[in-house]
Amino acid sequence: GAVVSQHPSWVICKSGTSVKIECRSLDFQATTMFWYRQFPKQSLMLMATSNEGSKATYEQGVEKDKFLINHASLTLSTLTVTSAHPEDSSFYICSARRIRGSNEKLFFGSGTQLSVL
Amino acid sequence: DAKTTQPNSMESNEEEPVHLPCNHSTISGTDYIHWYRQLPSQGPEYVIHGLTSNVNNRMASLAIAEDRKSSTLILHRATLRDAAVYYCILRDSTSGTYKYIFGTGTRLKVLA
Repeated sequence: GAVVSQHPSWVICKSGTSVKIECRSLDFQATTMFWYRQFPKQSLMLMATSNEGSKATYEQGVEKDKFLINHASLTLSTLTVTSAHPEDSSFYICSARRIRGSNEKLFFGSGTQLSVL
Repeated sequence: DAKTTQPNSMESNEEEPVHLPCNHSTISGTDYIHWYRQLPSQGPEYVIHGLTSNVNNRMASLAIAEDRKSSTLILHRATLRDAAVYYCILRDSTSGTYKYIFGTGTRLKVLA
């Protein structure tokens, strides 16, 4: 099956620093990728939709200046958590949408556990 | 908001079939029904999806109601490795762009 690679799988950083998370679709081109965050024992919460070559679309309540998304190519989207604080600690998951004709599927990365000290 | 509702949790004995229900009463005619599952500390994994007809693959079967307002994921013989949170999701196009909103999912516990 299709593979989406997410890196790093975990990161620990100091408060105030920025962290970049990469999401790559390895064997298909993805014009659309999605970024989710997940707190323990909770479901995935959609943060933003990343569109190749254009600005990301953020969900209500998600700060675009805090969570910078760049989708510069058809196989790579990045999420940068700027000036991270302890409340940003969470499990971040990316997903790439693969379209074949009228059929579409999502393929997810393995997630990034962010811990801000 | 999520367009699907599922029971919070279910239990099954190992080697027995499991039927995981999902209600999606507001589904539109072009929405596929997708099922994913998530193991602890991992990203969701694709299970199956369908539009109108029942679907089978090596992992599971998907039974879709005739009016498409509900569906059931069927694991024919549950194993301990099937213990996960199962999500039924639809594509949301109400905002003009396509996106996938997750509901609470069903936490499946498999008893040895």
